Amino acid sequence: EADIYQTPRYLVIGTGKKITLECSQTMGHDKMYWYQQDPGMELHLIHYSYGVNSTEKGDLSSESTVSRIRTEHFPLTLESARPSHTSQYLCASSELAGDGTGELFFGEGSRLTVL
Amino acid sequence: GENVEQHPSTLSVQEGDSAVIKCTYSDSASNYFPWYKQELGKGPQLIIDIRSNVGEKKDQRIAVTLNKTAKHFSLHITETQPEDSAVYFCAASGAGSARQLTFGSGTQLTVLP
Repeated sequence: EADIYQTPRYLVIGTGKKITLECSQTMGHDKMYWYQQDPGMELHLIHYSYGVNSTEKGDLSSESTVSRIRTEHFPLTLESARPSHTSQYLCASSELAGDGTGELFFGEGSRLTVL
Repeated sequence: GENVEQHPSTLSVQEGDSAVIKCTYSDSASNYFPWYKQELGKGPQLIIDIRSNVGEKKDQRIAVTLNKTAKHFSLHITETQPEDSAVYFCAASGAGSARQLTFGSGTQLTVLP
């Protein structure tokens, strides 16, 4: 079992609300990621971090922001949610392997619905 | 950047039959090719991976083959069981300092009893 946890698992909110999706891992991994998974199954990288105080944007443009103040936490925030943000958000972590390899450990996801 | 194409998008097989999922990639510098399995309501989980210095790798009923010349790799599942039903993703590591994984679009595998 992977030691990576996401909360909430499900969230239904109204347009304009600020939301934060929490992600925590207890494996001491340096690298963490946020993926957006649309109903068509595809996984799109929206943010990643190499370690504390490091955040980078992924391949898919996103209005969300992330922070990495502690190694184990990588929260994602939407300042003003819109229906277009409705999706499943998956957090993952991995050891920082210099050659780009290394297993990704995924959380179970946060399913966000914006009305 | 890297582009990974995965086929088919859906696959139904009878229990006990074999299933094959194929992926192609665009970046000849990619050297790491993992496969992830995502069960309903869960995050993806690594099931097998292969590096570019190996042509084939097997783990019980699962095998992956890699053809670097043609830039394609495949997942083979033999003697399928109902618990194999899930979404399967292939991925390839991209080039450059970031070396992020690029995922394929996923295959929904259904094993019929």
